[in-house]
Amino acid sequence: DARVTQTPRHKVTEMGQEVTMRCQPILGHNTVFWYRQTMMQGLELLAYFRNRAPLDDSGMPKDRFSAEMPDATLATLKIQPSEPRDSAVYFCASGGGISGRAYNEQFFGPGTRLTVL
Amino acid sequence: GDSVTQMEGPVTLSEEAFLTINCTYTATGYPSLFWYVQYPGEGLQLLLKATKADDKGSNKGFEATYRKETTSFHLEKGSVQVSDSAVYFCALKNANQAGTALIFGKGTTLSVSS
Repeated sequence: DARVTQTPRHKVTEMGQEVTMRCQPILGHNTVFWYRQTMMQGLELLAYFRNRAPLDDSGMPKDRFSAEMPDATLATLKIQPSEPRDSAVYFCASGGGISGRAYNEQFFGPGTRLTVL
Repeated sequence: GDSVTQMEGPVTLSEEAFLTINCTYTATGYPSLFWYVQYPGEGLQLLLKATKADDKGSNKGFEATYRKETTSFHLEKGSVQVSDSAVYFCALKNANQAGTALIFGKGTTLSVSS
C-alpha cells in the first residue's frame, strides 16, 4: 500500500537552529504539497510543486522558509532560523497525475511535529 | 477568493447518535468538494468526495450531498461510533484553476462517548 512518508516524525529544537523536514511522495504522483497545522490557524497551505517545479509558495514566509524538490522522490522544507512561532505539525501530501484517484485526491503523510523552544 | 466554512466544534455525541457537520463554500466555477478525516496523531485521509452538483459521496456510513443551490456539503452519519472520534475537514478544489491545491475549512472536532 503506497504511502507518503515524512521524516522526522518529531523534532524539538532551539530558537535560531535550522530545521529540515523531508517528504517522500507516492511514486508516480507529480504534485507535492506542504501544509502547516496549528490550533490557532488550522491547516494552511505553505507551498506546492508540480513536476518538481514550484507552483505556489505564497503561503510561506520567504525570509526563513524554503521548499525544494531535489528529485522526484524527495521534497524538503527548511526553516532557518527557526522561531517558537514555527511550532506546528507540518504535513506533506502528494497527488496529481493524469487520471485515477490521484487526479483529485491528496494523500497525506503522517506529519512532522516541530517544537521550537 | 475561494473559501470553506465549517461549523465550529467541538461536537460531542453519544454512541449511536445522529451526526451533522455543516460545511458551506464560496467558489467561482464548479468546484469538487471533499471531506477529509484526521485521527489522533495521524495525517488527513480522504473520507468522501463529490465532483458535481447533486452528487452524493459516501463512505463508512458517512454521506454528503453537493448542493449547488445552497453552496453546501454537509456531512452526516446516522449512528456514530466511538471510533469516529476525529477531526473532520471540509475542502474544495476549484476545477477551473490550473493548480490542484485544496482549500480546507478549519476542521471540526468530533468526540463520541460510549
